[in-house]
Amino acid sequence: QKEVEQDPGPLSVPEGAIVSLNCTYSNSAFQYFMWYRQYSRKGPELLMYTYSSGNKEDGRFTAQVDKSSKYISLFIRDSQPSDSATYLCAMRGGGGADGLTFGKGTHLIIQP
Amino acid sequence: NAGVTQTPKFRVLKTGQSMTLLCAQDMNHEYMYWYRQDPGMGLRLIHYSVGEGTTAKGEVPDGYNVSRLKKQNFLLGLESAAPSQTSVYFCASSYSHRGRNTGELFFGEGSRLTVL
Repeated sequence: QKEVEQDPGPLSVPEGAIVSLNCTYSNSAFQYFMWYRQYSRKGPELLMYTYSSGNKEDGRFTAQVDKSSKYISLFIRDSQPSDSATYLCAMRGGGGADGLTFGKGTHLIIQP
Repeated sequence: NAGVTQTPKFRVLKTGQSMTLLCAQDMNHEYMYWYRQDPGMGLRLIHYSVGEGTTAKGEVPDGYNVSRLKKQNFLLGLESAAPSQTSVYFCASSYSHRGRNTGELFFGEGSRLTVL
């Protein structure tokens, strides 16, 4: 079992819909959880950052972490065609300088 | 302010050739990383560096070497390229906070390498 599981999609939804993207993980040491957005032929960029369990909202985006279930989610409200991209979840433990563990990414398509 | 710059952006190699990918960042970040991204595999860490003169192995280090002679530069070398090293390579950097990376990685735009 991979440390981080993420459905690669593609996930296609109509403009204006609420989008739900999810990741599961197996490593209980993960404490910091991130969502990165990657447009085609570009590098990933940080979208949301959360620590431990709970919710975090930023505009149309909400990140949720449920450490008891080892499950994280990203919700996008009022989705726009410009949200079409690959969304990667990422996480790390509490210490050290080593890199993040990434999910494989979900390819999201918002249909105008 | 250029952020993270990778050169070259594209390269085609023959099996057995060597090459070096250069990553430069102008944000004075302590930590730098090299990832590879393959279809169906996601981003995998090759090597990383916590400061000038230091490097460490990541998840998939075999076949690669790195050097960090200057704080702003992180070089990834392939001594004898193999077709399995065909991939998109991303460099990233981050701030350090109390000896840890902050989780916010700043990525370059990628270097697409094909090994024939």
